[in-house]
Amino acid sequence: GNSVTQMEGPVTLSEEAFLTINCTYTATGYPSLFWYVQYPGEGLQLLLKATKADDKGSNKGFEATYRKETTSFHLEKGSVQVSDSAVYFCAGKRSNTGNQFYFGTGTSLTVIP
Amino acid sequence: ETGVTQTPRHLVMGMTNKKSLKCEQHLGHNAMYWYKQSAKKPLELMFVYSLEERVENNSVPSRFSPECPNSSHLFLHLHTLQPEDSALYLCASSQVNRVDTEAFFGQGTRLTVV
Repeated sequence: GNSVTQMEGPVTLSEEAFLTINCTYTATGYPSLFWYVQYPGEGLQLLLKATKADDKGSNKGFEATYRKETTSFHLEKGSVQVSDSAVYFCAGKRSNTGNQFYFGTGTSLTVIP
Repeated sequence: ETGVTQTPRHLVMGMTNKKSLKCEQHLGHNAMYWYKQSAKKPLELMFVYSLEERVENNSVPSRFSPECPNSSHLFLHLHTLQPEDSALYLCASSQVNRVDTEAFFGQGTRLTVV
């Protein structure tokens, strides 16, 4: 079936460190892929997305590239800030026009000053 | 108002109570979802209403009952819940049949069953 697997946390980094959160997908066909962020006490917010191979999604200094050859969509940021502390979810959507989303287990990130 | 709005934000209920969670979306979407988020567990899809067709996760207990009177409103009716049902319940909406569409989430209802 369709699924995403993301690295387990928690992850603790110092401010200005480089961040990578790994995500790989399993799917029939070519899913759309997403990264969501959840701050304490809030719902999930879309961080970035990519709908086809080699697309790069980017937002607020975060980037992720849809790589078909490695079935991956790793999240990166060059210099994290304390305000980036949150839980990050990788997600996919069953076919490009489908309505079934599937989520990873979430990776908790804490950035310390 | 814009986006996806959930009420109430917090709810405490006894195991014999009946309550309902409400979700409203102002995005013109044609699909709405209920998710359950428990500590240290993956996000669990409970119900989907898409183009007026309901799809559900067969593992969801019958004490949870969804209702979708129109494309903008979604309810989750709760009765005789158990303490393990305590969780964050998230509503989401999306537009079906668009390549680039994502799911938009509400802020959630934090449910505590006592």
